[in-house]
Amino acid sequence: DQQVKQNSPSLSVQEGRISILNCDYTNSMFDYFLWYKKYPAEGPTFLISISSIKDKNEDGRFTVFLNKSAKHLSLHIVPSQPGDSAVYFCAASAGSNNNDMRFGAGTRLTVKP
Amino acid sequence: DAGVIQSPRHEVTEMGQEVTLRCKPISGHDYLFWYRQTMMRGLELLIYFNNNVPIDDSGMPEDRFSAKMPNASFSTLKIQPSEPRDSAVYFCASSSLDEQFFGPGTRLTVL
Repeated sequence: DQQVKQNSPSLSVQEGRISILNCDYTNSMFDYFLWYKKYPAEGPTFLISISSIKDKNEDGRFTVFLNKSAKHLSLHIVPSQPGDSAVYFCAASAGSNNNDMRFGAGTRLTVKP
Repeated sequence: DAGVIQSPRHEVTEMGQEVTLRCKPISGHDYLFWYRQTMMRGLELLIYFNNNVPIDDSGMPEDRFSAKMPNASFSTLKIQPSEPRDSAVYFCASSSLDEQFFGPGTRLTVL
């Protein structure tokens, strides 16, 4: 049962434009959400997170938006750079146990020069 | 710190053979996780430990899979006997707070 879903397996954008990666979840108990970035032959690395008490968190070019009523979050990258090309995983956890995370299947982002 | 270390990086084996994947977490981290990445299901949590004790192994797909953490600096994930559908990238991760740090993964191919 996929509790975290990333329905777009891939996304291609032009350098300088905005990249929007989407994530949906089904478990209403999830209250902490993270995005991980993964380059080929490397493990995922933490990118940005958001708690359910907020609806937006920004870190430089990266912004995560959370819509709790829709059980949806998105990652915006502005402006996109070729170095952002990677697989992006959305993850969620519930309650105080932020270690028990559930991941989506990932979205492969390609930023074209 | 060298980060999370996994070995081997690549493993090719034949169906029916035993496979052992190894992980050394970041020193001081008290949580350790094993994940499996496949194209269809993305990253799946298999099992995680807290202070060397298995906390949740509900993600372990079958009895053929087992994991141990004999001490704070070492963990193994064993598949016996291995099957072609076990082919995937297996990641180990460790954490002490909210952020998990992943190893580079072991790409397992079962022929």
